[in-house]
Amino acid sequence: KNEVEQSPQNLTAQEGEFITINCSYSVGISALHWLQQHPGGGIVSLFMLSSGKKKHGRLIATINIQEKHSSLHITASHPRDSAVYICAAPTQGGSEKLVFGKGTKLTVNP
Amino acid sequence: DGGITQSPKYLFRKEGQNVTLSCEQNLNHDAMYWYRQDPGQGLRLIYYSQIVNDFQKGDIAEGYSVSREKKESFPLTVTSAQKNPTAFYLCASSAGTGGNTIYFGEGSWLTVV
Repeated sequence: KNEVEQSPQNLTAQEGEFITINCSYSVGISALHWLQQHPGGGIVSLFMLSSGKKKHGRLIATINIQEKHSSLHITASHPRDSAVYICAAPTQGGSEKLVFGKGTKLTVNP
Repeated sequence: DGGITQSPKYLFRKEGQNVTLSCEQNLNHDAMYWYRQDPGQGLRLIYYSQIVNDFQKGDIAEGYSVSREKKESFPLTVTSAQKNPTAFYLCASSAGTGGNTIYFGEGSWLTVV
């Protein structure tokens, strides 16, 4: 079974700072998911990536398949980015069942 | 707009009672999932279904039951056998097997009083 570890657990930043959240997993995967959980609890899928890099607005996700590691970057952070960011990987291979990291709670202060 | 609707958002239950959480999707997805989230822990899979009339236990299925009679609906029943039912429950769906974007509902907060 895949083990998914995220770091840091908590992150506080000032508005405008560059943010990096890390995720490592133990078993080779077909795709890794980055999710954002709002304070009310709802979860939104940010990225699903299997190689290289993806960008959406100020969010960038990268993955290194050989090192089993992914990063989520936020450029020019804003208080509205405050949320819990979660990475998730399939339990094995191309399985649809996901194993979730415990999340990184990001607080961006104005 | 397509999406997943969970209801109710907040639910209080007395000990010994069963309660059913609703999950409906209009995304035409084959796969649906129920997760439980507790403070400081990652989401854990309760049950999942890859096709109508079929479902499998996840990692923490004890004390829960589901049905999948229609493609768009995947209700979860929290039975009185679930020893620690107070939690946040999330329903999700995806198009199918391997490497598909997963969509989540807004979640349901269940408190046992």
